Amino acid sequence: EPEVTQTPSHQVTQMGQEVILRCVPISNHLYFYWYRQILGQKVEFLVSFYNNEISEKSEIFDDQFSVERPDGSNFTLKIRSTKLEDSAMYFCASSDPGDYGYTFGSGTRLTVV
Amino acid sequence: QKEVEQDPGPLSVPEGAIVSLNCTYSNSAFQYFMWYRQYSRKGPELLMYTYSSGNKEDGRFTAQVDKSSKYISLFIRDSQPSDSATYLCAMSANSGAGSYQLTFGKGTKLSVIP
Repeated sequence: EPEVTQTPSHQVTQMGQEVILRCVPISNHLYFYWYRQILGQKVEFLVSFYNNEISEKSEIFDDQFSVERPDGSNFTLKIRSTKLEDSAMYFCASSDPGDYGYTFGSGTRLTVV
Repeated sequence: QKEVEQDPGPLSVPEGAIVSLNCTYSNSAFQYFMWYRQYSRKGPELLMYTYSSGNKEDGRFTAQVDKSSKYISLFIRDSQPSDSATYLCAMSANSGAGSYQLTFGKGTKLSVIP
């Protein structure tokens, strides 16, 4: 069964450092998303991406965040200057047009120290 | 008022029991309703999705939506220890942007005891 692949599974970074989280969505999907889940909290929407541009973004997705699809297969989330409160599980997801059932990856656990 | 409310549990039931999981919501624009299952330190896995009001059945799982009450349910029949996980409800309005933002509940942690 096709799956969304995320790397790394766990990343530890120092406050103020830049991190890039990587995702390989399902190959024939056209919509890509990033969500995050702070420990013990809800899964929260960050951003959606279609046709090489952002479709929607939440209030969380401020100037410190950016997304990119650098080639035909990868989808990345960059956090420019990490804060302690950025520590969370970050999930990438992808979907078909009109498909409300995303496929999520297993997530990257980001720990900012 | 929170957009989606879900009792976080934990909920513990004996094997074979019928499990009822519920969410309430406040946003009338939500039209698409989903249930995800999440194992520890894994991504959410889609179980079921429904559009508008009504019931949908898939094997041991039944999803119900009551838009008039802004209330959705997931029933699990003949529960198994392998059903032990956190169950997340999620909802979406048609954003018109071609992509669909999901709003999640906090999740209910279920344990099925052999």
